[in-house]
Amino acid sequence: ETGVTQSPTHLIKTRGQQVTLRCSSQSGHNTVSWYQQALGQGPQFIFQYYREEENGRGNFPPRFSGLQFPNYSSELNVNALELDDSALYLCASSLANYGYTFGSGTRLTVV
Amino acid sequence: QKEVEQNSGPLSVPEGAIASLNCTYSDRGSQSFFWYRQYSGKSPELIMFIYSNGDKEDGRFTAQLNKASQYVSLLIRDSQPSDSATYLCAVTRGGGTSYGKLTFGQGTILTVHP
Repeated sequence: ETGVTQSPTHLIKTRGQQVTLRCSSQSGHNTVSWYQQALGQGPQFIFQYYREEENGRGNFPPRFSGLQFPNYSSELNVNALELDDSALYLCASSLANYGYTFGSGTRLTVV
Repeated sequence: QKEVEQNSGPLSVPEGAIASLNCTYSDRGSQSFFWYRQYSGKSPELIMFIYSNGDKEDGRFTAQLNKASQYVSLLIRDSQPSDSATYLCAVTRGGGTSYGKLTFGQGTILTVHP
């Protein structure tokens, strides 16, 4: 059983709307990352948070933003949704020397 | 040139055979290398990670790393139908206590037929 939980599991939004995805990781996992995985592709890095500060960002526009909270939970916010934002969004937390553990993901469909 | 490239697949092997999955990467500063398995509609599941040149074995899985050739591979011995999935190679410059961004390949679809 994964120690990373994500909600919701599925979501349908209309183009132009805003969405918030949530992630909760295990105690001690103080680094959380978000990835976008389009169908048939490998996951693409969106950004990473360490101790509530963003400390790395991939090639995603500013309308993708995030937060990390003291209780190790995290949010991914996407504004002005576009059709190409339809994807599986993955949250991953890491523990030293054990790599990244992914949550079950949120499937976002933009129509 | 893609940062991480995997053999294009799909790869089909008979049950009991050895499946060989390959990955090359372009960033010579990469320090940590991961193999994930992803079943259809599910999230990636970590199989193995490797940091040092050479082989690392875990049950039926062996990861091989050659930093000079910028090459990492995964061998699956005694392949089972349950091994049928997409295998993702991922690399990062970080290691140990701080991994940083993972860069993934596009994945290789493996099918093990009875």
